[in-house]
Amino acid sequence: GAVVSQHPSWVICKSGTSVKIECRSLDFQATTMFWYRQFPKQSLMLMATSNEGSKATYEQGVEKDKFLINHASLTLSTLTVTSAHPEDSSFYICSAREGKTYEQYFGPGTRLTVT
Amino acid sequence: EDQVTQSPEALRLQEGESSSLNCSYTVSGLRGLFWYRQDPGKGPEFLFTLYSAGEEKEKERLKATLTKKESFLHITAPKPEDSATYLCAARKQAGTALIFGKGTTLSVSS
Repeated sequence: GAVVSQHPSWVICKSGTSVKIECRSLDFQATTMFWYRQFPKQSLMLMATSNEGSKATYEQGVEKDKFLINHASLTLSTLTVTSAHPEDSSFYICSAREGKTYEQYFGPGTRLTVT
Repeated sequence: EDQVTQSPEALRLQEGESSSLNCSYTVSGLRGLFWYRQDPGKGPEFLFTLYSAGEEKEKERLKATLTKKESFLHITAPKPEDSATYLCAARKQAGTALIFGKGTTLSVSS
């Protein structure tokens, strides 16, 4: 149990385009999901916290107009990178918090490459 | 400022050579210290959660311990398949995001 999926697993896009990444909790309801970004040989850095049905809370330095987060249901959160630039190339990982136990489960990550 | 620091950054071991990874933290009101394993290009895989000083947890060749200032991940007689990056993370409140260290990349050669 407690599986989190991400789609796509990797994506290549051109500079200036937008990319949407989905994060789904497959067998539990996630009232809260977290989005992290990981650069090569670096640790996971929290970008934002999304709660179902409300606006996401962004960490300092993360542009909310560039990284659009929607948490429309208890099993799905999406991250849209708008007007992507090469510096947005990174590994994006989501985690979902199970409503009863508060434990967090991580997705497999999405590799974004912007050319 | 809340911080999690891991050492060493990289560790090379021979198969069967036991060692320990360190995670020191300065997090006020700690509500859980987590260890994850991460393979290249994949998301973190949960290993352990420790909640109070003196607590220990074991899983196969891994044992995690916790004090008031640091946590150790002991690896006994490692095998090449234990090669991965091991991440330590702290949580301040139940249900909040984790604060990650930079990880220790372990390489075990046969």
